[in-house]
Amino acid sequence: KQEVTQIPAALSVPEGENLVLNCSFTDSAIYNLQWFRQDPGKGLTSLLLIQSSQREQTSGRLNASLDKSSGRSTLYIAASQPGDSATYLCAVSPNTGNQFYFGTGTSLTVIP
Amino acid sequence: NAGVTQTPKFQVLKTGQSMTLQCAQDMNHNSMYWYRQDPGMGLRLIYYSASEGTTDKGEVPNGYNVSRLNKREFSLRLESAAPSQTSVYFCASSQGSGAYNEQFFGPGTRLTVL
Repeated sequence: KQEVTQIPAALSVPEGENLVLNCSFTDSAIYNLQWFRQDPGKGLTSLLLIQSSQREQTSGRLNASLDKSSGRSTLYIAASQPGDSATYLCAVSPNTGNQFYFGTGTSLTVIP
Repeated sequence: NAGVTQTPKFQVLKTGQSMTLQCAQDMNHNSMYWYRQDPGMGLRLIYYSASEGTTDKGEVPNGYNVSRLNKREFSLRLESAAPSQTSVYFCASSQGSGAYNEQFFGPGTRLTVL
């Protein structure tokens, strides 16, 4: 079974700092990896989807990279803002079946 | 487009009661999913439906049943609720499977079983 780990569980940074969130997975046979944002008491919002053939995807201040061979993905947030405070989750889609496997998330606080 | 909608938003049940959580999507997606989210456990897949007319068990299916009513709607039923089913339930949908399989989530149903 695919195991997805996100470290650290919580992160606090001052406004304006660039930061990196980590996601690791145990089985490299994946179709894609998706990063989500979850605000307290809310659902998940899709941020970026990286297909297995891609190495990175960018959206605004966000850049996600994927290294399948080492089982790692990173989400880079540039010039962090207090509005970026949320929990960030990654999920991998294995290339067998329809199941997705989620990490437990990193709770990010950006201090004004 | 409303995306993925879920009803109800909140529910309190007593042990042994039954209820159905409703989910609908208007994106013409083929696949739909039910997850539960518990503190420290992440999201875990309960059931999914790869296409209309099919359903499959996920990681934690015990105590639940599902119905894919049509392409738009996927419901989750708790026949006899237990305190261990206290959780936040999310419905999601995606176009299909494979590399382009981006998931979209509903706002969740917060269920408490007393």
